[in-house]
Amino acid sequence: DTEVTQTPKHLVMGMTNKKSLKCEQHMGHRAMYWYKQKAKKPPELMFVYSYEKLSINESVPSRFSPECPNSSLLNLHLHALQPEDSALYLCASSQVAGYMNTEAFFGQGTRLTVV
Amino acid sequence: AQSVTQPDIHITVSEGASLELRCNYSYGATPYLFWYVQSPGQGLQLLLKYFSGDTLVQGIKGFEAEFKRSQSSFNLRKPSVHWSDAAEYFCAVGTGNQFYFGTGTSLTVIP
Repeated sequence: DTEVTQTPKHLVMGMTNKKSLKCEQHMGHRAMYWYKQKAKKPPELMFVYSYEKLSINESVPSRFSPECPNSSLLNLHLHALQPEDSALYLCASSQVAGYMNTEAFFGQGTRLTVV
Repeated sequence: AQSVTQPDIHITVSEGASLELRCNYSYGATPYLFWYVQSPGQGLQLLLKYFSGDTLVQGIKGFEAEFKRSQSSFNLRKPSVHWSDAAEYFCAVGTGNQFYFGTGTSLTVIP
């Protein structure tokens, strides 16, 4: 199984809503990532978890709150988002963060629209 | 600082023609290089990777890439493009802690 599964595929939320994005992998990977991608742009790193601990936070606003409950799951909790947060949110995993020769496997993404 | 440059924002080729997408990187150590492809609204799929060894690497869907250390390049090639290859292509460098992506090249394939 080389899949990274993200749910939901699409999400529309109001600026006062609280929602969560979910990501799951069963490849035994110990590094998981959240990326944000705007249209026609490359993915931008938001967070990196290594062995279930947050290792990188790329100065992401606190309205985005990541959580890694176990080695297979990664959540992104959303609260009080702005319309400019509308984007494709991609989850990825790799064998281990901190080692060079490892590729990232990406999920299909969650298309988020904030209204 | 590490960076990845894809000089071509958009490329149009005819179906059956050959393709080369350019990628230049800047990284102080031995680079670990990747090419990913993304169809509209989809995630990124790994086409191929270079970690070490043979500088010509083969990937999926008939793609190959050549690592040239002297030119800091990792160009992607395909001898005969299919209409289904139309997509966005991202070159990336891995540093161990994260992956840095180029700005992408959008490929259009005309009949």
